[in-house]
Amino acid sequence: KAGVTQTPRYLIKTRGQQVTLSCSPISGHRSVSWYQQTPGQGLQFLFEYFSETQRNKGNFPGRFSGRQFSNSRSEMNVSTLELGDSALYLCASSLEGDRKAFFGQGTRLTVV
Amino acid sequence: GIQVEQSPPDLILQEGANSTLRCNFSDSVNNLQWFHQNPWGQLINLFYIPSGTKQNGRLSATTVATERYSLLYISSSQTTDSGVYFCAVRYGQNFVFGPGTRLSVLP
Repeated sequence: KAGVTQTPRYLIKTRGQQVTLSCSPISGHRSVSWYQQTPGQGLQFLFEYFSETQRNKGNFPGRFSGRQFSNSRSEMNVSTLELGDSALYLCASSLEGDRKAFFGQGTRLTVV
Repeated sequence: GIQVEQSPPDLILQEGANSTLRCNFSDSVNNLQWFHQNPWGQLINLFYIPSGTKQNGRLSATTVATERYSLLYISSSQTTDSGVYFCAVRYGQNFVFGPGTRLSVLP
């Protein structure tokens, strides 16, 4: 069974641009959640999607958004990028939101 | 919100030594999981352990939900065990991570 796949692995963007990250969950998993990891703030929850519906959202500004498609693949979008958005973005999938979570390798975003 | 603490923050061991990592949480949780983050950033799920004890090779974990803590035991450590260990708790609809324990195993 293929693991969680995140694309792209690395990304460099300029302040003010927007970016879209993709996450393909393990086959059969319907829950996808996103996290931001920075040296200063650690791992922080962004949002969770289940069956195409956002179930919960962390404490991030509206510039951070996401969606989930009918095949459970998910995308997250960050608009008007700021230097502080530089981070490792991780997505995790699970059968249900409260079951064992499996993480992708992450997308390392650098904003210059 | 819930507070998740991990101790120690840093740990340096000689290869072959044993260690215990601790995770404390401030409220009742739906589940608890332990992860190992390797040097490339990938989070590997070690245990899904809302309560009780589980073992997987040289690793074992115990969660005492009523006392709001979990322990991760690493026996006969190897250099490949190096990295950061996180506990994460499911609190409501959120997944909350602790700050991690950075483990360095020296050859």
